[in-house]
Amino acid sequence: DTAVSQTPKYLVTQMGNDKSIKCEQNLGHDTMYWYKQDSKKFLKIMFSYNNKELIINETVPNRFSPKSPDKAHLNLHINSLELGDSAVYFCASSQDRAGVYNEQFFGPGTRLTVL
Amino acid sequence: AQSVTQLDSQVPVFEEAPVELRCNYSSSVSVYLFWYVQYPNQGLQLLLKYLSGSTLVESINGFEAEFNKSQTSFHLRKPSVHISDTAEYFCAVSRRAGNMLTFGGGTRLMVKP
Repeated sequence: DTAVSQTPKYLVTQMGNDKSIKCEQNLGHDTMYWYKQDSKKFLKIMFSYNNKELIINETVPNRFSPKSPDKAHLNLHINSLELGDSAVYFCASSQDRAGVYNEQFFGPGTRLTVL
Repeated sequence: AQSVTQLDSQVPVFEEAPVELRCNYSSSVSVYLFWYVQYPNQGLQLLLKYLSGSTLVESINGFEAEFNKSQTSFHLRKPSVHISDTAEYFCAVSRRAGNMLTFGGGTRLMVKP
């Protein structure tokens, strides 16, 4: 069974469009994350949610809006897509954030290409 | 805030040769340390981690890393690499108080026959 899944795997779209990437985890974890990996493979955290509550919001344009309908899902909606948004977006999850580290499990990634 | 530096962006090596991938970090607080591996067109997988205790940690596929607090390093080593080890390797740190991972820039390990 897939632990952390993302859809779609590839997303090609035009500048100015609005798109969403979905993430689901079946591990029963409390915390979910979105990371962005740019063309140079540099990975940076964007958001973190714990039990549907936003706990980390790094410096990300407000065109990016995470939505967590329940603790198993964390979707990423992007408005007015720009060329610089082209990247691979990874979803991840972990058990909780109670001050004790718990391993993060990553999804397979969504490659977004903005034309 | 913490940061991670991986000194080598690419490391070419012949099969069965030893390899070391370097990682240095900076942080004002204690951290947890990790190595993740990303095979081509796949997501990241945890390779090994240091949380506490013995400073030498090992993975199931022959990699090991040693936490050196005085040098703020967590270098990854393998005594004999295989073609299948070809991948991107990421060093990461996390503050003890939270789960946010800060990644290094990655090192591409290229194993040649």
